[in-house]
Amino acid sequence: EVQLVESGGGLVQPGGSLRLSCAASGFSLSSYTMTWVRQAPGKGLEWVSSINAAGDYTYYADSVKGRFTISRDNSKNTLYLQMSNLRADATAIYYCARDFWSGVFDFWGQGTMVSVSS
Amino acid sequence: EIILTQSPATLSLFPGQRAILSCRARQSVGDRLNWYQQKPGQAPRLLIYNASLRATGIPDRFSGSGSGTDFTLTISSLEPEDFGVYYCQQRYNWPPITFGQGTRLDIK
Repeated sequence: EVQLVESGGGLVQPGGSLRLSCAASGFSLSSYTMTWVRQAPGKGLEWVSSINAAGDYTYYADSVKGRFTISRDNSKNTLYLQMSNLRADATAIYYCARDFWSGVFDFWGQGTMVSVSS
Repeated sequence: EIILTQSPATLSLFPGQRAILSCRARQSVGDRLNWYQQKPGQAPRLLIYNASLRATGIPDRFSGSGSGTDFTLTISSLEPEDFGVYYCQQRYNWPPITFGQGTRLDIK
């Protein structure tokens, strides 16, 4: 059974940093592009970042470029999102998702909540 | 960035009725259009990809159509469990990937 379990969310002050993790099981992480999507409270879905299977190509939304870094450790079956210089507008549930066909997200984790507030 | 506009914003229907949800793209996305369902407190679930292909395990009452800039998700006969918010998403020439703002479907 495919499972994605996010962790690492929490309350952080503006300007602070946080690293999210997404532990994958039930499939070979090294075969898939992976993606982070976020959802601000009461709002819609926003694509944040994607990384290809090998980890040598990364893509970012303009809203996070230069502040967020996506990475992966296929040997540990884990996806990461390093977030720095956080702003209040980063407050959201962060979902990791498996990309099975260049932008088609077939499995999602349950999400981890990030709150940026002083 | 390709903007997706969904309509209506809210839909309220009885079980057994047909639901028609629309997604319009500001520019052509070919058939690179996906649909997701999200229930309160849950992650999104993939329903339809490439405009008309049902994802694994999705009941055949869900169907997608369209190409270019105009797309439709049809639920042929609503079941009580079909409530939620439905999002379209385009993957044409990304990044960025973009989502529509969602259509909320209520079952009366």
